[in-house]
Amino acid sequence: EVQLVESGGGLVKPGGSLRLSCAASGFTFSSYSMNWVRQAPGKGLEWVSSISSSSSYIYYADSVKGRFTISRDNAKNSLYLQMNSLRAEDTAVYYCARGFWSGLLFDYWGQGTLVTVSS
Amino acid sequence: DIQMTQSPSSLSASVGDRVTITCRASQGISNYLAWYQQKPGKVPKLLIYAASTLQSGVPSRFSGSGSGTDFTLTISSLQPEDVATYYCQKYNSAPPPFGQGTKVEIK
Repeated sequence: EVQLVESGGGLVKPGGSLRLSCAASGFTFSSYSMNWVRQAPGKGLEWVSSISSSSSYIYYADSVKGRFTISRDNAKNSLYLQMNSLRAEDTAVYYCARGFWSGLLFDYWGQGTLVTVSS
Repeated sequence: DIQMTQSPSSLSASVGDRVTITCRASQGISNYLAWYQQKPGKVPKLLIYAASTLQSGVPSRFSGSGSGTDFTLTISSLQPEDVATYYCQKYNSAPPPFGQGTKVEIK
């Protein structure tokens, strides 16, 4: 069974940093692209970042480019999102999602981790 | 970047009704269109990809159609468990934006 478990969310002050993790199991992690998708409270879904299976291709939404860094460790079956210079508008539930087809089609999602940016 | 626009933003229908949601891409995307369902308080779930291919386990009352810029999601007979927000998404290349969502309620 495919499982994606996010961790690392919490309350952080504006300008602060946070690192999210996603532990994957139940599939060959190194064969799939992985993604972060977020959802602000009461709002819609927003794609954040994508990383290919071997980390050769990395993409970011314009809203986080230069502030967030996606990475993965295939030996540890883990995906990460380093978030710096956090803003109030980054407050959201962050989902880890497995990508297939183009890598940007999300067939499995984690339960999400809440990031709150507030003073 | 390509934008995805859904209509309506919300709808209310009776159990058994046929429900149609529309998604329009600002440029042609062939059939690289997916639909997701998010029930209240739950994680999004992939319903349809390649515009019309049902993901495994999705009830057959759901169907999708379209190509190019105009797409539809149809629920042939609305059930109480279909109360959710539905999102379209284009996925052929980055960035893969979602539509703003359509909230479906029971009348």
